[in-house]
Amino acid sequence: DIQMTQSPSSLSASVGDRVTITCRASQSISRYLNWYQQKPGKAPKLLIYDASTLQSGVPSRFSGSGSGTDFTLTIGSLQPEDFATYSCQQSYSIPFTFGPGTKVDIK
Amino acid sequence: EVQLVESGGGLVKPGGSLRLSCAASGFTFSSYSMNWVRQAPGKGLEWVSSISRSGNYIESADSVKGRFTFSRDNAKSSLYLQLNSLRAEDTAIYYCARYQEGYLDSWGQGTLVTVSS
Repeated sequence: DIQMTQSPSSLSASVGDRVTITCRASQSISRYLNWYQQKPGKAPKLLIYDASTLQSGVPSRFSGSGSGTDFTLTIGSLQPEDFATYSCQQSYSIPFTFGPGTKVDIK
Repeated sequence: EVQLVESGGGLVKPGGSLRLSCAASGFTFSSYSMNWVRQAPGKGLEWVSSISRSGNYIESADSVKGRFTFSRDNAKSSLYLQLNSLRAEDTAIYYCARYQEGYLDSWGQGTLVTVSS
């Protein structure tokens, strides 16, 4: 199975900050990497797929990059509604493993 | 609007069984593979299974193989998850999600399964 790791596990940031979250796969997954946002008590929401394609309706302050084993999710200017947990997921091979998540909270 | 609504969760004793359903609307259900994903309390997301559009091809996580069965009824736009031989570690919110060529683009609100004596 492909293992996914994320760093940091949590971070504190202020509105307007630029935030970067890293996801690493245990083997190359090409660009088969997705990012999800989850708020407490809610279902996950797709933000980015195929490493860098923004899902319809997702604000352009979110961006993704990377290929192979190393990926990043960047929030260009953090907004109040962005405080949430962010998880990566590989869809290169089954099982479609998720990273452990990065919690972004208010500084 | 795509809607996925899970139901059937509840409290069950270890070794017991439960059947979850996911009712889909707002899209042509038979045109999409579907997935189940679960999340234990306070933990991360865990992929559980993927079922093809026809229901003939199913993949599942090793942690549930032999205990959980997966099916769908395209005529009813519904997805099913039969949970057998439940263990405490199966306690989680179970989400159904639509699979779109490599990613899960729509999710239900989830249904909570609690395994406890």
